[in-house]
Amino acid sequence: QVELQESGPGLVTPSETLSLTCTISGGSISSGDHYWSWIRQSPGKGLEWLGYIYYTGNTYYNPSLRSRLFISVETSKNEFSLRLSAVTAADSAIYYCARQRTYVADFDLWGRGTLVAVSS
Amino acid sequence: DIQVTQSPSSLSASVGDTVSITCRASQTIRTYLNWYQQKPGQAPNLLISAATSLQSGVPSRFSGSGSGTDFTLTISSLHPEDFATYYCQQGQIAPWTFGQGTKVDI
Repeated sequence: QVELQESGPGLVTPSETLSLTCTISGGSISSGDHYWSWIRQSPGKGLEWLGYIYYTGNTYYNPSLRSRLFISVETSKNEFSLRLSAVTAADSAIYYCARQRTYVADFDLWGRGTLVAVSS
Repeated sequence: DIQVTQSPSSLSASVGDTVSITCRASQTIRTYLNWYQQKPGQAPNLLISAATSLQSGVPSRFSGSGSGTDFTLTISSLHPEDFATYYCQQGQIAPWTFGQGTKVDI
C-alpha cells in the first residue's frame, strides 16, 4: 500500500531554513488525482495546512506563509520537499506530509510526522 | 480564510454512549467538510469525506451529516478505541482549514 515518510533535521536554529522531504513508497507521485501537501500541528495553532504541490510542479501556499515557504517535487525520486525560511520558535511543530484528493480536498493519507524544534 | 469552529472542545463519555460533535463554518462550504480521528502519537486519520461519505474500513457506527455551514459527526455506541481527538476540515476554499479539535475521553 502507499506510504508517506517524512525526513529531515529535528532541530533548526532560529532565522535559519527548515528543510523536510516526504518520500512516497508503494505508489507514484505522478497521480493526477492528488495534490501533495504539508501540514503542521502545534499546541498553539492546532492543525495548519501549509501548502501543496502537484506532480507538474504547480504549487499553492497558505498566504500566511507564502513569503517564507517553498515546496518542490522530484518525480524521479518520488518525493517532494518543503523549505521554510527565517524560522522562529513559532514554527516548532510536528510536520506531516499528506496526500490530498483534488476533487474533495480531503487528506486521505498521512505520513507519521516529524517533530521539528526551533531553538538555538 | 474560512474559519471552522468545533464544539464541544472536549467531552466525557462511556463505552456504549452515542456522542455528537458539531462543526460550524464561517461561510457556506456546501458539503466540503471532512472528519478525522487522531490518537496520541499518531497522524490524523480520515473518517468521513464530503460531509457524509464513510471511508473504507471505518466502522459504520461513525456517521456524518450536514451541509452549508453546520455539520455533525455522530459516533453511535462508543467503543474503547474511539476515545481520541476528532477534527473537522473544510475543503471548499484554500487555504484549507481545520477545527480546533474535540477530545473524547472517558
